[in-house]
Amino acid sequence: AQKVTQAQTEISVVEKEDVTLDCVYETRDTTYYLFWYKQPPSGELVFLIRRNSFDEQNEISGRYSWNFQKSTSSFNFTITASQVVDSAVYFCALRWNTGFQKLVFGTGTRLLVSP
Amino acid sequence: DAGITQSPRHKVTETGTPVTLRCHQTENHRYMYWYRQDPGHGLRLIHYSYGVKDTDKGEVSDGYSVSRSKTEDFLLTLESATSSQTSVYFCAISESTENEKLFFGSGTQLSVL
Repeated sequence: AQKVTQAQTEISVVEKEDVTLDCVYETRDTTYYLFWYKQPPSGELVFLIRRNSFDEQNEISGRYSWNFQKSTSSFNFTITASQVVDSAVYFCALRWNTGFQKLVFGTGTRLLVSP
Repeated sequence: DAGITQSPRHKVTETGTPVTLRCHQTENHRYMYWYRQDPGHGLRLIHYSYGVKDTDKGEVSDGYSVSRSKTEDFLLTLESATSSQTSVYFCAISESTENEKLFFGSGTQLSVL
């Protein structure tokens, strides 16, 4: 079965702290894609990153970085020096190769960054 | 920002009444999706469309139907709304069936009393 687990329901940090959001996935496919989406208080989900299963290279984009480890089936997301504008719900999602463009989402992690 | 408009943004209705939600896109993307978002469940796919008049069921399709008569419009209908269908509904679009990212609308908050 295809599944995404985001065990952290809510995380609270103070501005400038680093924070890591965990994502663990399950799939039997050897080819699959992982995504992170951000849902700010306005409600609209915004795409952050996509990785395919053949590319385990970590990625950094400004204060955001992603750590993909197939050995532990994890795709964790780290925000460095968090800011209040990072407050949002973050969703990890999985698309497997044998399915149509259908994503299975995790239940999301709510990040609260206080000043 | 992707041109996706959902209407209405908020709706309150009574159990047993029919409800139609509309998604309109200006991107000319082939693929359109309806998701619902509920606490503890993340987002779950209701129905999707891969072209005009081509639709299929997602994982939580019971009680819902869809129609797509034009590329730009994807309608979601609750034939007889139930309280369990109280949710936030999101429309999404994508350009291809490959590992494309989805673009989401702003959502429709539906309350069934």
